[in-house]
Amino acid sequence: GAGVSQSPSNKVTEKGKDVELRCDPISGHTALYWYRQSLGQGLEFLIYFQGNSAPDKSGLPSDRFSAERTGGSVSTLTIQRTQQEDSAVYLCASSAALVSSYEQYFGPGTRLTVT
Amino acid sequence: LAKTTQPISMDSYEGQEVNITCSHNNIATNDYITWYQQFPSQGPRFIIQGYKTKVTNEVASLFIPADRKSSTLSLPRVSLSDTAVYYCLVGDVDSSYKLIFGSGTRLLVRP
Repeated sequence: GAGVSQSPSNKVTEKGKDVELRCDPISGHTALYWYRQSLGQGLEFLIYFQGNSAPDKSGLPSDRFSAERTGGSVSTLTIQRTQQEDSAVYLCASSAALVSSYEQYFGPGTRLTVT
Repeated sequence: LAKTTQPISMDSYEGQEVNITCSHNNIATNDYITWYQQFPSQGPRFIIQGYKTKVTNEVASLFIPADRKSSTLSLPRVSLSDTAVYYCLVGDVDSSYKLIFGSGTRLLVRP
């Protein structure tokens, strides 16, 4: 079956512009997660959705970052007034509620470059 | 969440067995041990998960001693395509939702 998909795969934007990153989770997966990975670094948790609600937003780096999920499916991560330090690969993952939350299925990521 | 320590890098040759050990001295009673694999330019991929003793699947084996303060991921007869970063994670799978990735172990398999 289809895995987690993300778009765009690459995004180059100028400093100060807003960007939207999209994630399509595996069908039927109620939990959705956003992480980011800076060059050569491990993954950093950003936010988690259970259904359409986000119980924990503590991982968002600043108030320039926001995320939403509609219909219990697609999620968008929005970064306003992008800065160069926002350059990273943004990864989305999903998991089925009935199995271990640690078995998360990751998408290929969106590589964001802020110039 | 328990802190994990694993080697930064390992080298191996095709056909060899590779064992990557992860230390997690502060593991809690409800914590499971999970390993992920990440290839360049891809998201991490779940490999295996266990609680105690030994778990085996089609990809790897996971050995966990009785005190659970460490675990060893065993990859049998590695190939060049096993070159990747391997992450060890420890946490309560029923109540913890965010994965905390450390630096991982960068495995290089040589011909």
